[in-house]
Amino acid sequence: DGGITQSPKYLFRKEGQNVTLSCEQNLNHDAMYWYRQDPGQGLRLIYYSQIVNDFQKGDIAEGYSVSREKKESFPLTVTSAQKNPTAFYLCASSMDRVRTEAFFGQGTRLTVV
Amino acid sequence: SQQGEEDPQALSIQEGENATMNCSYKTSINNLQWYRQNSGRGLVHLILIRSNEREKHSGRLRVTLDTSKKSSSLLITASRAADTASYFCAPRMNSGYSTLTFGKGTMLLVSP
Repeated sequence: DGGITQSPKYLFRKEGQNVTLSCEQNLNHDAMYWYRQDPGQGLRLIYYSQIVNDFQKGDIAEGYSVSREKKESFPLTVTSAQKNPTAFYLCASSMDRVRTEAFFGQGTRLTVV
Repeated sequence: SQQGEEDPQALSIQEGENATMNCSYKTSINNLQWYRQNSGRGLVHLILIRSNEREKHSGRLRVTLDTSKKSSSLLITASRAADTASYFCAPRMNSGYSTLTFGKGTMLLVSP
């Protein structure tokens, strides 16, 4: 059953702690993306990766870090430097960077307590 | 900026009516994609229209593209309550580090 999986669905974090969100895909896609969505807002791009061992900052990369050591996996770490991390985080993948559609995970809702 | 801008921001209609939403963008594109997001869920791809196409259909969806005006429209015919969602467009550039960016979307409410 091919797809893109985000975990966990809900995550609670204490202020000052780093937390890592998981994103795994078995679609053999080269490109992967991370977005942040705040209530009633659109998606803002945090980081994207076009290929293994390469990634680029998006519009709001400050306070976040990523790695792309395997094609299937693109974890996002929300660091303590992110001032307002409470949000809905979405991961996506696409076969290439331009010509094909993207597939999205179901999201992780992160709450700082 | 690569992202598209959807208009209107919100649209409220009755079941059975048609819904039209628009997307404007600023750069030349390879294709333009439309997505739907139900509340609290991930986005779902609806339709992709290439820069050399002017119109495309998929079920009750009709998408048009006018590259001279850098605009696209999504028409949903005979709307249903289940069409209630946010709709986003994503123009895809031809070259460079083209990525996938979105605007704020159009929130569609279809009332029974």
